[in-house]
Amino acid sequence: GAVVSQHPSWVICKSGTSVKIECRSLDFQATTMFWYRQFPKQSLMLMATSNEGSKATYEQGVEKDKFLINHASLTLSTLTVTSAHPEDSSFYICSAQTLKLNTDTQYFGPGTRLTVL
Amino acid sequence: TQLLEQSPQFLSIQEGENLTVYCNSSSVFSSLQWYRQEPGEGPVLLVTVVTGGEVKKLKRLTFQFGDARKDSSLHITAAQPGDTGLYLCAGADLRDYGQNFVFGPGTRLSVLP
Repeated sequence: GAVVSQHPSWVICKSGTSVKIECRSLDFQATTMFWYRQFPKQSLMLMATSNEGSKATYEQGVEKDKFLINHASLTLSTLTVTSAHPEDSSFYICSAQTLKLNTDTQYFGPGTRLTVL
Repeated sequence: TQLLEQSPQFLSIQEGENLTVYCNSSSVFSSLQWYRQEPGEGPVLLVTVVTGGEVKKLKRLTFQFGDARKDSSLHITAAQPGDTGLYLCAGADLRDYGQNFVFGPGTRLSVLP
């Protein structure tokens, strides 16, 4: 149980385009979803926390208008990288948390590798 | 801002050796998790420790949470090449809007056959 999927697994896009990444909890309802970014050989950096039906809370230094997060249902959150630039190239990972399971645990998706040309 | 430090950052050992990885902070966490991440994949949860002084064992892996809940260690006995990966600790951080997790920088372990 507690499986989280991400789509797409990898994406290559041109500079200036927007890219949407989906994060789904497959067998549980995620009350909270987290979005992380990981640069090569570095740790995970939290970008934002989103609770279903409310606006996401962004970490300091993360632009809300550039990284749009929508958490419209208990099983789906999306991250849209708007007007992507090469410096946005990274590994984006989501995780999900549910009140019905251990609230100290988050379940990670497999990640999405974004390359902006 | 709560920060986690991990040491060592890199570790390369021979198969069969033992090793310990440390996770330290000046802050108290309600719980702490250890993950292993392989290249191109999301982190996989190994263990969650909640109680100060708690020790948990997972086959050849032994996890300990410090009495003050500020630090933790991961000990691997008789390491195998399959243990190779990035080991991350993460502390649960209670915010006004809920709980999120602060990650350490990771320890990259390489076990040579």
